[in-house]
Amino acid sequence: QSALTQPPSASGSPGQSVTISCTGTSSDVGNYNYVSWYQQHPGKAPKLIIYEVSKRPSGVPDRFSGSKSDNTASLAVSGLQAEDEADYYCHSYAGSNDFGVFGGGTKLTVL
Amino acid sequence: EVQLVESGGGLVQPGGSLRLSCAASGFTFRSYWMNWVRQAPGKGLEWVANIKEDGSEKFHVDSVTGRFTISRDNAKNSLYLQMNSLRAEDTAVYYCGRTRPGATVDYWGQGTLVTVSS
Repeated sequence: QSALTQPPSASGSPGQSVTISCTGTSSDVGNYNYVSWYQQHPGKAPKLIIYEVSKRPSGVPDRFSGSKSDNTASLAVSGLQAEDEADYYCHSYAGSNDFGVFGGGTKLTVL
Repeated sequence: EVQLVESGGGLVQPGGSLRLSCAASGFTFRSYWMNWVRQAPGKGLEWVANIKEDGSEKFHVDSVTGRFTISRDNAKNSLYLQMNSLRAEDTAVYYCGRTRPGATVDYWGQGTLVTVSS
């Protein structure tokens, strides 16, 4: 099972918006509405910021939003802030008895 | 408040063994699938193993099958990862995580570092 494809890097200036893509296949992203996104700051554990494609856990700012079209999921961050600078990983479920697959990660830089 | 606290990491020689533990609190542990996910230095996230609520089903990534075993003790609210025949490529921070439907890890521990080196 191959990793989901994410761009290695993305960037934007404070206040701007940025979108990170996550491309899978019809066996994972395209077949299930179980795409999640994680934010990881250096030296810290990952934190869930989006689950089931577009839902936000309590406490996650609404500046973060998720969507999906066919085999590609996307994470949009609007009104970029300095604290948004982190690594972002997508994940998709791939069926029963299978944990699924992570993306390779995208390093978001706030210029 | 959900808390997951890993322990048991350290430096071990190739071929050696370690047992990681994860102490859970703040939620009904026996009602959730649980996972181990690792991250090699400078690399991305890799799922290692998961286990059903009652321990009756468990799955491991191919690269650790036959060497690592996930287990749990619901009476002690604890998750374990027994790691045998360790290799240099197993060097990573190991995170335990609580799993919600769709294999989403909604809570993560702080991680414990395993270093395999002679």
